Amino acid sequence: AQSVAQPEDQVNVAEGNPLTVKCTYSVSGNPYLFWYVQYPNRGLQFLLKYITGDNLVKGSYGFEAEFNKSQTSFHLKKPSALVSDSALYFCAVRDDLSGGSYIPTFGRGTSLIVHP
Amino acid sequence: ETGVTQTPRHLVMGMTNKKSLKCEQHLGHNAMYWYKQSAKKPLELMFVYSLEERVENNSVPSRFSPECPNSSHLFLHLHTLQPEDSALYLCASSQDRWGENTEAFFGQGTRLTVV
Repeated sequence: AQSVAQPEDQVNVAEGNPLTVKCTYSVSGNPYLFWYVQYPNRGLQFLLKYITGDNLVKGSYGFEAEFNKSQTSFHLKKPSALVSDSALYFCAVRDDLSGGSYIPTFGRGTSLIVHP
Repeated sequence: ETGVTQTPRHLVMGMTNKKSLKCEQHLGHNAMYWYKQSAKKPLELMFVYSLEERVENNSVPSRFSPECPNSSHLFLHLHTLQPEDSALYLCASSQDRWGENTEAFFGQGTRLTVV
């Protein structure tokens, strides 16, 4: 079974400060992990993914995420937040164990608000 | 622009109406999906099509009827909807089975309001 949790409904950060949006997961095998961003009244846009390899994954718009197997986490980070980063962020996970669903499961989303 | 186009962007319909949502992808992908996004709820997977065959149907009421005439087009036919069906309906596509070393690309969604 696969599940994902985004423990924060909302994250507030000042412009120029580093930001972190948290994601933890649970799988039986190995995880495939994804981050998506949704701007108001828009669809989801792919940011980055972890399949295998380096634990630090770099994605679009200066975002990166760190895969931590021992903590079963895949937190999204950015060194310096912009007001334009304000959006809804979704983490998704898929269990690579054969026989499971190949469709990733989404978290509930975290609203990021960057203050000027 | 993700290469996945949904029309219309906004739709208001009465409970006795029949309407259809359209999704078109120009990416050469083999799989397409319908999702429902309601306020304060997790994203709900509704239907999955792979190579034009429906492979998943997550207990969606029969008032929602999908159609996939070819690998580039996906429709969601709506009839006798309820006000609680008001939501953002998102279409997505992926090269192969999403999650197997590939990501999905989403359209901008259709904001549906049932009155």
